[in-house]
Amino acid sequence: EVQLVESGGGLVQPGGSLRLSCAASGFSFSTYGMSWVRQAPGKGLEWVAGISDSGVITSYADSVQGRLTISRDNSKNTVFLQMNSLTAEDSAVYYCAKNLADGVSDSDYWGQGALVTVSS
Amino acid sequence: QSALTQPASVSGSPGQSITISCTGTSSDVGGYNYVSWYQQHPGKAPKLMIYDVNYRPSGVSNRFSGSKSGNTASLTISGLQAEDEADYYCNSYTTSNIRVFGGGTKLTVL
Repeated sequence: EVQLVESGGGLVQPGGSLRLSCAASGFSFSTYGMSWVRQAPGKGLEWVAGISDSGVITSYADSVQGRLTISRDNSKNTVFLQMNSLTAEDSAVYYCAKNLADGVSDSDYWGQGALVTVSS
Repeated sequence: QSALTQPASVSGSPGQSITISCTGTSSDVGGYNYVSWYQQHPGKAPKLMIYDVNYRPSGVSNRFSGSKSGNTASLTISGLQAEDEADYYCNSYTTSNIRVFGGGTKLTVL
C-alpha cells in the first residue's frame, strides 16, 4: 500500500524558514517523480514544485521560485520542501504527492497534508 | 503562469450528466495532451480522476470521462450520484515544464 506522510508543518513568523518532509513507502520510490501542491484555507489547489526520480531535475511555480527548494533522499525514501523567506501568502496545507511517472507528471497518490501558518 | 479557467460551480440532478470546462492557452492545455482532473471532497486530499486528457486510473468509475478541443478541456460525469458532489480541479503541463491548476469547480448534486 502506497503511503505518504508529511511532517514539519507549524507556525512560523514572516521572513522565517521551515522544512517539510514526506516519508514514502509501498512503492519503488527512486523510480518516480514527486511533487508538492499547496492549498490555502478556503482556496484552490496550487502546484508548487516537482522533482525527477533521480533528483537532478526540479521545477517550481513562479510564485515560489527562489524561495522554496524541493529535494529528495532516495536512500531514505523521503522528499523535502525547504521554505525560506516565508510570507502570509505561503500559509496553506502542503500536500506531498507521488507522480505517475518520472518528470512533471500527474500525481496518483497524495499524503494527508501538512499545515503551514505564517503569522506574527 | 496564470491559472486555468473553470466555472465556479455546476449542478445537476442524480442520474443526469454534467460537463465541467477548463480553458487555458496554447502554452498549456492546447499545447499538450497532458490535462488531468482531480476530485476533492471537503477536508480530504485530492484524488486523480482523469490523466492525459482521457485516461482513467485504475479504480475510477467509467462514469468519468475527459476530452479536449483546442485550448479547452472538459470533464464529463454521467449518471450523476450524490457521492460525486465535490470540488473538481483541472491541471495541465505547460511549456515552462511546470504544471498549473484551474481555479476549481464546485459540483452540487441537487
